Amino acid sequence: GESVGLHLPTLSVQEGDNSIINCAYSNSASDYFIWYKQESGKGPQFIIDIRSNMDKRQGQRVTVLLNKTVKHLSLQIAATQPGDSAVYFCAEGESGGSNYKLTFGKGTLLTVNP
Amino acid sequence: NAGVTQTPKFRILKIGQSMTLQCAQDMNHNYMYWYRQDPGMGLKLIYYSVGAGITDKGEVPNGYNVSRSTTEDFPLRLELAAPSQTSVYFCASSSTGGHRNQPQHFGDGTRLSIL
Repeated sequence: GESVGLHLPTLSVQEGDNSIINCAYSNSASDYFIWYKQESGKGPQFIIDIRSNMDKRQGQRVTVLLNKTVKHLSLQIAATQPGDSAVYFCAEGESGGSNYKLTFGKGTLLTVNP
Repeated sequence: NAGVTQTPKFRILKIGQSMTLQCAQDMNHNYMYWYRQDPGMGLKLIYYSVGAGITDKGEVPNGYNVSRSTTEDFPLRLELAAPSQTSVYFCASSSTGGHRNQPQHFGDGTRLSIL
């Protein structure tokens, strides 16, 4: 989920386990959602996106689930690896007048223990 | 392709100094953005541009200015640096999506400290 203050939510998993990172979004009119990965000292890296006409989308080792009823988004990472350790955050966008702008969450810190 | 390139990577400024953060993309993207990221916080949009010659304010534009004379470049200007502008600045770009959003692609940031 999202954080308040300066401390990010954290998730610690063992190598090989599956990880689930959650995100609650705020705008019921949002119809486009993205997950980003940010490693220390790097810019956000696009992982996967999903539009509101879908409730599930799969990529390589990642799956995004969208529940529009409760405005909830999740990122599942299969067989988590040490290289997956990073901050993950979601972003939401709304098509239409300002369809090129995204609103970003604060992120969740994923730590993978070998 | 280099993607989105930001320079410098690090900078220390004194209060009241000015500087320009450079951003260039080689993906022929129409949309470009400047964000700041403070510790433990999400990205905040400073300014954005939907094409050459067009810029608009984002969520936190005060103290900054931008220009977009070419498709490739989108520099961010700080005129009178203040300690509150200490942050990590990210530039991003995305392709024209019409009515459909497209993912934004980010540079690796400029880490700026104002002392």
